[in-house]
Amino acid sequence: KNQVEQSPQSLIILEGKNCTLQCNYTVSPFSNLRWYKQDTGRGPVSLTIMTFSENTKSNGRYTATLDADTKQSSLHITASQLSDSASYICVVSARGSGGGADGLTFGKGTHLIIQP
Amino acid sequence: GAVVSQHPSWVICKSGTSVKIECRSLDFQATTMFWYRQFPKQSLMLMATSNEGSKATYEQGVEKDKFLINHASLTLSTLTVTSAHPEDSSFYICSSSRSPPGLAGFSYEQYFGPGTRLTVT
Repeated sequence: KNQVEQSPQSLIILEGKNCTLQCNYTVSPFSNLRWYKQDTGRGPVSLTIMTFSENTKSNGRYTATLDADTKQSSLHITASQLSDSASYICVVSARGSGGGADGLTFGKGTHLIIQP
Repeated sequence: GAVVSQHPSWVICKSGTSVKIECRSLDFQATTMFWYRQFPKQSLMLMATSNEGSKATYEQGVEKDKFLINHASLTLSTLTVTSAHPEDSSFYICSSSRSPPGLAGFSYEQYFGPGTRLTVT
């Protein structure tokens, strides 16, 4: 069964600090992994998409890593800002799904709170 | 990124009434759109796949007669919650995916709408 596990479930850090969110998956065959940011009461917004051959990808203060061998990914946020407070969702796509949403496995997300 | 809109952003209705939620793909034609439901502190759960010009494909456990989906055009899909009950209160999110030509088996980016908060009293 395809699964995506995220940790921690929630995290509180002070503004300006760095943090790292983890995502472990068992989706097979693997196609790509995406990190989304979801503000409270809003739809998810894409941060990064990583394919099998990509180890690191950055988007501003967000840096995602992928280890396809161990089936782990991380999202590192540097110099956190109050606006980073949100849920961060890891989504893994299975190869051959043709883009269908049934090929996507969603993690439950990490709820991040940035305190001033 | 592509823009997907939803309307309304929130709605409160009485038990037994029906509510229609619109999902629009604003800057590309979407032959396929998806509807999700999200309960508090839970992950997104796929409800159905909406196909333009044909019937929607529902996930197991989702009542097709209760959640009516219409994909009238390449840019508009609607979800109607019929005879709503308090347990239908949830956050409903749609998404669309753009298909690069000639890339069979490639998983495409999902563009999510902002969501609609439904509260049934």
